[in-house]
Amino acid sequence: NAGVTQTPKFRVLKTGQSMTLLCAQDMNHEYMYWYRQDPGMGLRLIHYSVGEGTTAKGEVPDGYNVSRLKKQNFLLGLESAAPSQTSVYFCASSSRGETQYFGPGTRLLVL
Amino acid sequence: AQSVTQPDIHITVSEGASLELRCNYSYGATPYLFWYVQSPGQGLQLLLKYFSGDTLVQGIKGFEAEFKRSQSSFNLRKPSVHWSDAAEYFCAVSTGTASKLTFGTGTRLQVTL
Repeated sequence: NAGVTQTPKFRVLKTGQSMTLLCAQDMNHEYMYWYRQDPGMGLRLIHYSVGEGTTAKGEVPDGYNVSRLKKQNFLLGLESAAPSQTSVYFCASSSRGETQYFGPGTRLLVL
Repeated sequence: AQSVTQPDIHITVSEGASLELRCNYSYGATPYLFWYVQSPGQGLQLLLKYFSGDTLVQGIKGFEAEFKRSQSSFNLRKPSVHWSDAAEYFCAVSTGTASKLTFGTGTRLQVTL
């Protein structure tokens, strides 16, 4: 039982490049979330999903897209990376109305 | 909209001393409240949570927190801090919609020997 895993752990991009971050959970959770963490700002919600095939915007969705084609996976895409997207990205999952469990994070540096 | 305030950005305590980390929230309905801990370079680990019932909740690693509705607070406490408690601590409130979390900006705890 791995819990929540994230791929990759670290990535460097050039401005304008695209990439996809993968989150996988093996707890059969309905809900999944993507957050970004920046110094002095805590974690902010980017997008979330309440079930397979559904997604919704969070607090800071601009510049990101997501997809949830399978219940266990939640993908975060950056179509054209910008330096402002340099951050640490965390994925989380939960059962309905329950505690969120977090992955180990992905560090992204956009040059 | 809900919000969480952690007024202390950085706290330093001596090993063996008591600890209290402050958290105030703003939310119109009955809140679900959480404390998470993050060690350097790691993800977030749940310390404890309050959903309902007893307002004093016990968590892992000897931590506890008390929900005070009249003060809109959910302060985290530990009677005797260990050097391994040095980390960043986040308070969060969950809304009723999709259990989304709103986090405070965190309190970094330093423990001196």
